[in-house]
Amino acid sequence: KAGVTQTPRYLIKTRGQQVTLSCSPISGHRSVSWYQQTPGQGLQFLFEYFSETQRNKGNFPGRFSGRQFSNSRSEMNVSTLELGDSALYLCASSGDRGGTEAFFGQGTRLTVV
Amino acid sequence: GEDVEQSLFLSVREGDSSVINCTYTDSSSTYLYWYKQEPGAGLQLLTYIFSNMDMKQDQRLTVLLNKKDKHLSLRIADTQTGDSAIYFCAESPYSGGGADGLTFGKGTHLIIQP
Repeated sequence: KAGVTQTPRYLIKTRGQQVTLSCSPISGHRSVSWYQQTPGQGLQFLFEYFSETQRNKGNFPGRFSGRQFSNSRSEMNVSTLELGDSALYLCASSGDRGGTEAFFGQGTRLTVV
Repeated sequence: GEDVEQSLFLSVREGDSSVINCTYTDSSSTYLYWYKQEPGAGLQLLTYIFSNMDMKQDQRLTVLLNKKDKHLSLRIADTQTGDSAIYFCAESPYSGGGADGLTFGKGTHLIIQP
């Protein structure tokens, strides 16, 4: 069974640009959650999607957005990039909130210069 | 608000037991997790415990939960060099688990001495 796939693995962007990251969940999983990992703040929850609907959102500005497609693949978008957006972005998939384990991808390392 | 605290570093000798501790503040947490992160990798779920349990054992891993003190620990028996990683404690507000809305600690770097 293939794991959670995140693309690209590495990305370098310039301040002010926008970026789109992709996450393909494990086959059959319908819940996709996104996390930002930085040395200073650690792992912080961005948002969760289930069946194309955002069910939960963390405390991030509106520049961070996401969506989920009918095949459960998810994308997150960051507009007007700031230096502080440099981080490892992780996505995780699970069947649902209830009674299932979550599996994380290897992440996308975003560097904003 | 919710908060999860962990020590930043733990150094143990190969073959000894490692005990990684975590405290959390949200008394409504229903699932508590331990994740492992190796360099350049994502998070690997090691084990989890329901908040109505006191202990869970899974091969070399033992999780102890003191719900009164909101204290969670992970014991790794016979620690090996391959156990060297960052270990994250996390709590879930939902009754079923998954990765939605997890609150993570800052992680404990486990260092193995030969």
